[in-house]
Amino acid sequence: SQKIEQNSEALNIQEGKTATLTCNYTNYSPAYLQWYRQDPGRGPVFLLLIRENEKEKRKERLKVTFDTTLKQSLFHITASQPADSATYLCARPSGSARQLTFGSGTQLTVLP
Amino acid sequence: NAGVTQTPKFRVLKTGQSMTLLCAQDMNHEYMYWYRQDPGMGLRLIHYSVGEGTTAKGEVPDGYNVSRLKKQNFLLGLESAAPSQTSVYFCASSYIGGLLYEQYFGPGTRLTVT
Repeated sequence: SQKIEQNSEALNIQEGKTATLTCNYTNYSPAYLQWYRQDPGRGPVFLLLIRENEKEKRKERLKVTFDTTLKQSLFHITASQPADSATYLCARPSGSARQLTFGSGTQLTVLP
Repeated sequence: NAGVTQTPKFRVLKTGQSMTLLCAQDMNHEYMYWYRQDPGMGLRLIHYSVGEGTTAKGEVPDGYNVSRLKKQNFLLGLESAAPSQTSVYFCASSYIGGLLYEQYFGPGTRLTVT
């Protein structure tokens, strides 16, 4: 099966530091990976997509990498703020209708 | 635009009761999805639809049925609710074009089956 795993259930960091979240996948390399943010009591919100042939993608303070050798994607938030506290989900495609298989998420808490 | 909306927001059912969850989107998206989210298990796909009148099974379809009679609506039905169906249900939609393939999620329905 095409699994996707986010190893850390929870991550606490100090404001201003860089948060790094990990997403690992098994079996064949997906054509792309997506990252979503989910706040308590709300639905996930799309943040970034990175394709298999892209090493790195940036959006403001967010950076995502894709390492097909390690079968891993890293999600970085630089200069983190308490407002960045949320659960972050990674997802891989799992069908022709753009179905997604999600990881279980990492709950990030940025401490002031 | 309202985006993706879900009705109801909360519901408590007794075992064996039936109910329908309604998802509506006003973005003219072709693809629609129903997920359930349980603690520690992430989002799991129940059913999905690639267009009006078509539906397909996802990862965990047992105990659920769906219908998409109109492009903007995607209904999820529970014919005989079981405690194992206690969960938060999310609907999502996606545009067939575009380059980012992002899914747009609704706010969720919290269902408790006693």
